[in-house]
Amino acid sequence: GIQVEQSPPDLILQEGANSTLRCNFSDSVNNLQWFHQNPWGQLINLFYIPSGTKQNGRLSATTVATERYSLLYISSSQTTDSGVYFCAVERGGRRALTFGSGTRLQVQP
Amino acid sequence: DVKVTQSSRYLVKRTGEKVFLECVQDMDHENMFWYRQDPGLGLRLIYFSYDVKMKEKGDIPEGYSVSREKKERFSLILESASTNQTSMYLCASSLLLSNEQFFGPGTRLTVL
Repeated sequence: GIQVEQSPPDLILQEGANSTLRCNFSDSVNNLQWFHQNPWGQLINLFYIPSGTKQNGRLSATTVATERYSLLYISSSQTTDSGVYFCAVERGGRRALTFGSGTRLQVQP
Repeated sequence: DVKVTQSSRYLVKRTGEKVFLECVQDMDHENMFWYRQDPGLGLRLIYFSYDVKMKEKGDIPEGYSVSREKKERFSLILESASTNQTSMYLCASSLLLSNEQFFGPGTRLTVL
């Protein structure tokens, strides 16, 4: 099956810093999503981005499908950004998402 | 906004009990999914449904069954709960074409 690798696995930032999270995938995909899992366990949709670039406030994402990677940018980080960020992809007609192992972000005041 | 709700946030059951986890979505989505999340193993698909009464097995269907009698509701059933089914269970739904998935808040199930 498809492999999804996220880096870095852990990240500690001071409030106000910027960061880039990376997601590499081993094969072509139909769908790529970024999620934030909050401390209560809910997965919050950040971006649906099989290709191209999108921005939403302080967050933006870019997927380069031909090179099989996606980047999530967080600018001016806040303590509420803490949690685990997951990249997930859909391959072929499988419908189910394959998740990476996540990046655990801690933003310190 | 898409809303996916799950019947319980926390649930404690005993070994051998029959357990029902319910998921409801309000956006007329065709696809519905059940995943479980475990430390070190990530999120894994248990079952998937693309229409009423239609289902497909995911990666780890053993010990589980599902029911989809109405489009908005997808139930996960543990026929005889076991301690290795202690986990976080996440339901998701999506439109048939785009498959952008939206998740419910999750149910933390503990089987004693």
